[in-house]
Amino acid sequence: GAVVSQHPSWVICKSGTSVKIECRSLDFQATTMFWYRQFPKQSLMLMATSNEGSKATYEQGVEKDKFLINHASLTLSTLTVTSAHPEDSSFYICSARGVGTVTSGDWTGPYEQYFGPGTRLTVT
Amino acid sequence: AQSVTQPDIHITVSEGASLELRCNYSYGATPYLFWYVQSPGQGLQLLLKYFSGDTLVQGIKGFEAEFKRSQSSFNLRKPSVHWSDAAEYFCAVGPAFTGGGNKLTFGTGTQLKVEL
Repeated sequence: GAVVSQHPSWVICKSGTSVKIECRSLDFQATTMFWYRQFPKQSLMLMATSNEGSKATYEQGVEKDKFLINHASLTLSTLTVTSAHPEDSSFYICSARGVGTVTSGDWTGPYEQYFGPGTRLTVT
Repeated sequence: AQSVTQPDIHITVSEGASLELRCNYSYGATPYLFWYVQSPGQGLQLLLKYFSGDTLVQGIKGFEAEFKRSQSSFNLRKPSVHWSDAAEYFCAVGPAFTGGGNKLTFGTGTQLKVEL
């Protein structure tokens, strides 16, 4: 259970074109999905938080007009890199968080995130 | 602001030896702590998590971690490393309460190399 897929797994595009990356929760409903970017040999940096049916919340420094996020259903979020440039080349990873809460003893919190396998974007 | 520090960028151990990866965090509230593993070109796989209860948590693949509030640490351990454990390991912290958004802050990672 709790499988998240991404498509495509890798993509090469020319500078100036746009590319769309899909993130799907395969066996659970995800009200919230997160998009991360990872440069080679570096950590994951959160780009934006995507909630189903509402606008995404972008982290400081992330251009919302360049990285368009749509979360149209409880199982699908898309990231579109518009007018891509070589500096946008990176590994993009999404994660999804399930609906509701989980309780353990006297603690109640949100479900954990489940990560997709990532998409390698190369802009030439 | 929350932060995670993984002081060791690279660690090399011999197969069969024990392993400890360090993680220190800074967080203003009760933390929700995770360890993830990432193989080259792959996404993240959850090894274990802690949010309450017993401070020694068991995870998959024989890994365990101990939460020490007084030291703000959540170190990952394995008694006997296998060559297949070679990967990048990330420690992460997030809010442990409902509505906290579950935004995770990741450490910079520790690259584990296993010598045969």
